[in-house]
Amino acid sequence: DGGITQSPKYLFRKEGQNVTLSCEQNLNHDAMYWYRQDPGQGLRLIYYSQIVNDFQKGDIAEGYSVSREKKESFPLTVTSAQKNPTAFYLCASRFGSGANVLTFGAGSRLTVL
Amino acid sequence: DAKTTQPPSMDCAEGRAANLPCNHSTISGNEYVYWYRQIHSQGPQYIIHGLKNNETNEMASLIITEDRKSSTLILPHATLRDTAVYYCIVRGELYNFNKFYFGSGTKLNVKP
Repeated sequence: DGGITQSPKYLFRKEGQNVTLSCEQNLNHDAMYWYRQDPGQGLRLIYYSQIVNDFQKGDIAEGYSVSREKKESFPLTVTSAQKNPTAFYLCASRFGSGANVLTFGAGSRLTVL
Repeated sequence: DAKTTQPPSMDCAEGRAANLPCNHSTISGNEYVYWYRQIHSQGPQYIIHGLKNNETNEMASLIITEDRKSSTLILPHATLRDTAVYYCIVRGELYNFNKFYFGSGTKLNVKP
């Protein structure tokens, strides 16, 4: 079945450590997105990528980095520079031309100890 | 992008219709209205979208006012599994490379 796979589902990290969240899609979608969600809040855009080897900052990119070396993959690195990284992270993708329906993964919950 | 306003929470009795409102008074002519929902600790799920005409699919109906400044998502027979946060989003079809903004949404509580 086509879809988006995020891993790991749960992740614990010590302060000062970088951590990378995986996002893989087999939908042949062009655009991919990373959102952050804090308890009781909506989704905030971290980074998005329209095509391979290209990505743009969203509203809260500080302390995060991404890469888009393959169409199927859009990993997110939460660096030690992110002041409050404990959150629920959601990856999404969208077919490039015209359609605006986002498909989301199941999310990764990061807890900093 | 046009801003949307939704009530923070609503209750609905199981088996009854749930009507979720959304105001988007600054919507422009080429912007669509989209609805997603998020069940606790899962990724959001697409429900329906529309431009001017009312739309219906297997999940819900979308009613857009004639002036397009507001819309209502209707779940015709709500079940306990419909308890979720519902997000109303306005986006333009002209943009291929666009951002999607999700506000706080409406928490729908379906009660037995």
